Amino acid sequence: DAGVIQSPRHEVTEMGQEVTLRCKPISGHNSLFWYRQTMMRGLELLIYFNNNVPIDDSGMPEDRFSAKMPNASFSTLKIQPSEPRDSAVYFCASSLADSRNQPQHFGDGTRLSIL
Amino acid sequence: GESVGLHLPTLSVQEGDNSIINCAYSNSASDYFIWYKQESGKGPQFIIDIRSNMDKRQGQRVTVLLNKTVKHLSLQIAATQPGDSAVYFCAERGGSNYKLTFGKGTLLTVNP
Repeated sequence: DAGVIQSPRHEVTEMGQEVTLRCKPISGHNSLFWYRQTMMRGLELLIYFNNNVPIDDSGMPEDRFSAKMPNASFSTLKIQPSEPRDSAVYFCASSLADSRNQPQHFGDGTRLSIL
Repeated sequence: GESVGLHLPTLSVQEGDNSIINCAYSNSASDYFIWYKQESGKGPQFIIDIRSNMDKRQGQRVTVLLNKTVKHLSLQIAATQPGDSAVYFCAERGGSNYKLTFGKGTLLTVNP
C-alpha cells in the first residue's frame, strides 16, 4: 500500500527564493497535517486540514508560510521568501478522521536547507 | 514533563534484551496516545497506540503501558534487535481536538 508521498526529498536553495513542498496523503484519508522537525524544537504542527479545509493554522510561523489543499489527494506548503532559519525537515501526515482515535501516518519528509 | 520530554535521552541495550522506553505527559485531558519509531532519514512510523480507557495494549514484540494516575506512558520492546535502533517518540492527543503533541524522543541503540 502506498503511504504518504512527499516531494522533493531534499531541497537546497538560497534565501529569498520561493520553496514549494508537496504531499500526497494516503488514499481515503481525510485529515492532513504539515509538521516541521528541528533538533531544537522537535516536531511542531504547522497546519491541519480536514476534508481539504484548513482547521488549525496556529502553528504556521508567519505570513511567509502558506498551505493549500486543492483536493483530497494533494497539498502544498509554500515558503516565500525563504530564510535560513526555515531550514528543517518538513513532514506531511494523514489520517482517517472518522473517529478521533486514528493514528497519523507520516511521509519520509522533505529536508530543506536555505543558504 | 511539559508535554513529553525536553532533551533527547538515550537508551543502549544488548541485542536480545528487553527495552523499556518511558514518557511523561502533562495533559490530564489527553485521551489517546501513540508511539512512533523514527529511523534516520525517514518519517515517524506508527508502532502502537492506546486509548485512555485502557492501561495496557500488546502488539508484536511491543507492549504499551499507560498509567494515568502519574501521567506516564511506556513502550516495552521484547527481544530487542539491531533493527529496532531508532528514535522513539510518544505523542498525546488532548481531549478536545485532533492535535498531537510529541515529545523530543528517546534514542535507542541496540548493540549486537
